[in-house]
Amino acid sequence: SQQGEEDPQALSIQEGENATMNCSYKTSINNLQWYRQNSGRGLVHLILIRSNEREKHSGRLRVTLDTSKKSSSLLITASRAADTASYFCATDASGYSTLTFGKGTMLLVSP
Amino acid sequence: SAVISQKPSRDICQRGTSLTIQCQVDSQVTMMFWYRQQPGQSLTLIATANQGSEATYESGFVIDKFPISRPNLTFSTLTVSNMSPEDSSIYLCSALPGANEKLFFGSGTQLSVL
Repeated sequence: SQQGEEDPQALSIQEGENATMNCSYKTSINNLQWYRQNSGRGLVHLILIRSNEREKHSGRLRVTLDTSKKSSSLLITASRAADTASYFCATDASGYSTLTFGKGTMLLVSP
Repeated sequence: SAVISQKPSRDICQRGTSLTIQCQVDSQVTMMFWYRQQPGQSLTLIATANQGSEATYESGFVIDKFPISRPNLTFSTLTVSNMSPEDSSIYLCSALPGANEKLFFGSGTQLSVL
């Protein structure tokens, strides 16, 4: 299965701290994406990194991709209580946006 | 971008009945997808729904159990047929507008089967 594996499964931090989540996958990909889900509802796209990119930034988000290790990390800097959510990585191996989602990291940011 | 309206947002159904979930997109999109998310789990792709063609189902999902319609470029439905408690999940529709590579999601349908 192409399914990604995130770790940790759960992460609890204080506001202002940084949060790092990792994702590993099994086969070659076209791109890797990170999504956020609040309270089991719809997902919101955060950032996309292509297989030929190594690092990407968007606001307080920093994503890295290591295709040799088949892994990615998502860093959220200066976290806020509003960042509390589940975060999923998703891989596109086909190039047709048929995404395979990882198991997710549940992030809790306490005020 | 795309705004997706999904309904119902939740339902409680009896075993053996069927439920149709509707998904309306505010713009024309070629590809729509239906996902299932079991409690505390990740998303699993059920099928890809392209307008004008039969839906493409992933392994483990069949048309008789999850019939999908895609009558135009802004609308799709997923029916969960002959439901059992094992079908209790969140069902999510998503769309891929234009040349985007990122998915836009509806807010999900939380289904409980008694």
